[in-house]
Amino acid sequence: DVKVTQSSRYLVKRTGEKVFLECVQDMDHENMFWYRQDPGLGLRLIYFSYDVKMKEKGDIPEGYSVSREKKERFSLILESASTNQTSMYLCASTADMNSPLHFGNGTRLTVT
Amino acid sequence: QKEVEQNSGPLSVPEGAIASLNCTYSDRVSQSFFWYRQYSGKSPELIMSIYSNGDKEDGRFTAQLNKASQYVSLLIRDSQPSDSATYLCAVNMASGTYKYIFGTGTRLKVLA
Repeated sequence: DVKVTQSSRYLVKRTGEKVFLECVQDMDHENMFWYRQDPGLGLRLIYFSYDVKMKEKGDIPEGYSVSREKKERFSLILESASTNQTSMYLCASTADMNSPLHFGNGTRLTVT
Repeated sequence: QKEVEQNSGPLSVPEGAIASLNCTYSDRVSQSFFWYRQYSGKSPELIMSIYSNGDKEDGRFTAQLNKASQYVSLLIRDSQPSDSATYLCAVNMASGTYKYIFGTGTRLKVLA
């Protein structure tokens, strides 16, 4: 079974803080993704990575950056957290673009 | 028009009945189709993938795909209260693109 692990289930941060969300997968998948999910808006892609050190912007990259130094790890960085970044953040991975995404448990981030 | 559309529900069915969840998509070149179940506060978990026209069965679940009508559905037989969740339809275009497009989900309530 694919295992995608997100480091925190719940996080509370203050406005302006730099926030790191970590994601690790154990299936040697090439492709990793960061989504946020908000009520009524569904899942929106922030960034994805198709290889180590390679990244592509998704639909809503503003205010975020990512890092993929090792194949198994994909980090999402909020450079200066704002209240409108309060959301559920979901990491996912897949072996190839025809296969389904496998999601981590999610991180519920609250920015106050 | 949204790229992937689902009725938000709630869809209420009595225990033991068949629940029918529907999804339409706008991009004719879409190749891969996925159904996810998401319990409140949890991350999406994959139920089924379907890639070719027709029916695909897995236990109590049947996915149906009709590419000509741009329509994919999920049937849940012998519905149980534990099936109460939000069901997300996801569509991916032809390989080579990162675009997994998610519907906003249909909330299913199975009444005991």
